[in-house]
Amino acid sequence: DAGVIQSPRHEVTEMGQEVTLRCKPISGHDYLFWYRQTMMRGLELLIYFNNNVPIDDSGMPEDRFSAKMPNASFSTLKIQPSEPRDSAVYFCASSLGGQNTEAFFGQGTRLTVV
Amino acid sequence: AQSVTQPDIHITVSEGASLELRCNYSYGATPYLFWYVQSPGQGLQLLLKYFSGDTLVQGIKGFEAEFKRSQSSFNLRKPSVHWSDAAEYFCAVGARGSYIPTFGRGTSLIVHP
Repeated sequence: DAGVIQSPRHEVTEMGQEVTLRCKPISGHDYLFWYRQTMMRGLELLIYFNNNVPIDDSGMPEDRFSAKMPNASFSTLKIQPSEPRDSAVYFCASSLGGQNTEAFFGQGTRLTVV
Repeated sequence: AQSVTQPDIHITVSEGASLELRCNYSYGATPYLFWYVQSPGQGLQLLLKYFSGDTLVQGIKGFEAEFKRSQSSFNLRKPSVHWSDAAEYFCAVGARGSYIPTFGRGTSLIVHP
């Protein structure tokens, strides 16, 4: 397996534009996580899915952020409209879930909003 | 809710020297504990994990960590650091029954030649 695949690796956009980040989890993994990493706040869990269903989105900062998982092999994180303070590295991770498993991370998407 | 504290933001060691990165957690029961490493521009990679049993855990790349319940700690160690170990290290804790890791702020390891 190629691991967790995120696209794009880098995104530069203007304030007010819509941004969509994409993630393909490892096949067979039941859990999918979206994290945001910044210098100020470290690594924050935004939302996670179990079997394509959003379980906890309490980490999503504002209504401008939304996430979907239409099937087991694809998820998106959308920001609309984007703001400069959204600039960060966004990670997607997946896991088998349950005990004795760990999260496998993608390489991240570095988002810059100017 | 669980939490993790990594007291050291930066650690500088010489190549070949020993290393210990500190991690303290807060959780009401025995947690799941993890150490991840992040190289520049990369995602996080699991170094080792503790779920139960032997409190000294061996991981990849020559790392080990020891779970000390009395101190609520899970410190990461390596006897001899290599220049390629320079990276960001994250400790994480997961609640039993709900594996969702909470990460510490990370410790940046700098290795001098």
